[in-house]
Amino acid sequence: AQSVAQPEDQVNVAEGNPLTVKCTYSVSGNPYLFWYVQYPNRGLQFLLKYITGDNLVKGSYGFEAEFNKSQTSFHLKKPSALVSDSALYFCAVMKGGSYIPTFGRGTSLIVHP
Amino acid sequence: NAGVMQNPRHLVRRRGQEARLRCSPMKGHSHVYWYRQLPEEGLKFMVYLQKENIIDESGMPKERFSAEFPKEGPSILRIQQVVRGDSAAYFCASSPGQAEYGYTFGSGTRLTVV
Repeated sequence: AQSVAQPEDQVNVAEGNPLTVKCTYSVSGNPYLFWYVQYPNRGLQFLLKYITGDNLVKGSYGFEAEFNKSQTSFHLKKPSALVSDSALYFCAVMKGGSYIPTFGRGTSLIVHP
Repeated sequence: NAGVMQNPRHLVRRRGQEARLRCSPMKGHSHVYWYRQLPEEGLKFMVYLQKENIIDESGMPKERFSAEFPKEGPSILRIQQVVRGDSAAYFCASSPGQAEYGYTFGSGTRLTVV
């Protein structure tokens, strides 16, 4: 079985400040990890993924995520938040060799001007 | 490249009617996935299809729901005899191969059952 937890329903941050959106996962074997972003009334957009290699993964729009195997985490980060980053963020995990990722419930990021 | 196209964007059905949701994957993508999004529940997997084959339908309700991805044309998610609880946003995603490539999602169909 595979599962993912996004412990925060909402994250508030001031524009220009660093942001972190948390994600922890549970999966047997090697995990494939993903972050997606959803803007209002739109589908999810792929941000970044970790399959193998460097633990720090860089993605779209200046976002990055760090894979931490010992803590089973894959937190999403950005050094300086923009108001336009306000959206719903989903973490997803998939067991290597599987084909259906499991999505978290999403975290609403609100960036205040 | 037009991306993943879903239609209609909004669909209103009365209880007991049928709902048909269409999804045209990105050009070159042969794998299609349907998800349902409910408030407070996040995104739930329903079914995974390749051309003319259902690969995994473990997330789809056993009754009233069906999906197909014919050799020609879009993938169709069909909900018969809709009930109020079917009201949700239904998203289609496609990928060129296994999901590790990352999905491309459509903008969704918002079904409202009145």
